[in-house]
Amino acid sequence: DAKTTQPNSMESNEEEPVHLPCNHSTISGTDYIHWYRQLPSQGPEYVIHGLTSNVNNRMASLAIAEDRKSSTLILHRATLRDAAVYYCILRDGWGTYKYIFGTGTRLKVLA
Amino acid sequence: DAGVIQSPRHEVTEMGQEVTLRCKPISGHNSLFWYRQTMMRGLELLIYFNNNVPIDDSGMPEDRFSAKMPNASFSTLKIQPSEPRDSAVYFCASSSRQGGGYTFGSGTRLTVV
Repeated sequence: DAKTTQPNSMESNEEEPVHLPCNHSTISGTDYIHWYRQLPSQGPEYVIHGLTSNVNNRMASLAIAEDRKSSTLILHRATLRDAAVYYCILRDGWGTYKYIFGTGTRLKVLA
Repeated sequence: DAGVIQSPRHEVTEMGQEVTLRCKPISGHNSLFWYRQTMMRGLELLIYFNNNVPIDDSGMPEDRFSAKMPNASFSTLKIQPSEPRDSAVYFCASSSRQGGGYTFGSGTRLTVV
């Protein structure tokens, strides 16, 4: 399974943008890039996903490098409720549907 | 949409007892996944089903663990006999389409004493 690398932790000030990086140098052409977050005492929650183009939704934006070997999840204005562990995962769009979660990035938002 | 429903939310049992965790996926979702989360090992995929058929159970730790999906709206994860090292939060998730996202349940916190 293709692997991802993320920083263990990051901090951000409230109402400032946050850029969460992810490296996936072994990504294959059919792998989708998915982001999930896990709030304290909850199950993981879907945030966003993309294949090649940058993506936006109400929660966040996903910027994908041209060579697809890295991506960045962008929270435009961090709030205290965004404090969570953020996971970057590759999912094969054609074969197995399973996610393999790494250790993720623990985001701390400072008031 | 009630989401993925797991029961019970909390389970405390004695070592050696049988434990059954239950999951109701979102209606119309055809893939179902069981994960286990611990501080030491993070989120581990145990098994997943596609159209009620087990596809990959390579993550099931031992023969003490078994999972079934008798129909599209129900799945169970059974541990028999349970051991203290099985203590963890067990999550069920479902998904509807290739390349799409998962919806996770709220989890079952299992404590084996």
